[in-house]
Amino acid sequence: GESVGLHLPTLSVQEGDNSIINCAYSNSASDYFIWYKQESGKGPQFIIDIRSNMDKRQGQRVTVLLNKTVKHLSLQIAATQPGDSAVYFCAEIRGNTGKLIFGQGTTLQVKP
Amino acid sequence: GAGVSQTPSNKVTEKGKYVELRCDPISGHTALYWYRQSLGQGPEFLIYFQGTGAADDSGLPNDRFFAVRPEGSVSTLKIQRTERGDSAVYLCASSPARNNEQFFGPGTRLTVL
Repeated sequence: GESVGLHLPTLSVQEGDNSIINCAYSNSASDYFIWYKQESGKGPQFIIDIRSNMDKRQGQRVTVLLNKTVKHLSLQIAATQPGDSAVYFCAEIRGNTGKLIFGQGTTLQVKP
Repeated sequence: GAGVSQTPSNKVTEKGKYVELRCDPISGHTALYWYRQSLGQGPEFLIYFQGTGAADDSGLPNDRFFAVRPEGSVSTLKIQRTERGDSAVYLCASSPARNNEQFFGPGTRLTVL
């Protein structure tokens, strides 16, 4: 079936390094993706989004890249900080209701 | 300003009991979504409200689950005859309109013993 998923369950990086979290999707018709950050005991928090008419989008310390050819997107976090430690999800908005289809998540651990 | 709030934050119940979970969306947000998140998984869509009506309930797992939003603001997710497999975190999100950014509440952790 169609799915949105992440490549690695856990990513451990040193404080100050850059982090890259990857996500693959299977539906070639998907056109709107969002990255969420979820801290323990909290709901997901919007980080950045990208539509299929773009290859790259930048925010504050974050960049999302979309490769439609191989159906892959990535989240890059520059100068990773301890406060970035969380679970990161890629999600797709599917259909005309705006419902989110989430992948399983990657846990980012930042070592001081 | 106030975000999405959910009550209770934790709910422990026994198998077979009925539970109600409440969501207070951000004021003025017409779109409201319920999701369920099992341990170690991403949230799974349950139901979407636009105003008072359930525009998409395709994610409800079975007829034990029901949700209402009678005045287009607060929503209640109702689960009848709870089963141990219903144990999860139930998340609510609201949005100014569909296909806009969704703002999530902290969730209600439901444990069915």
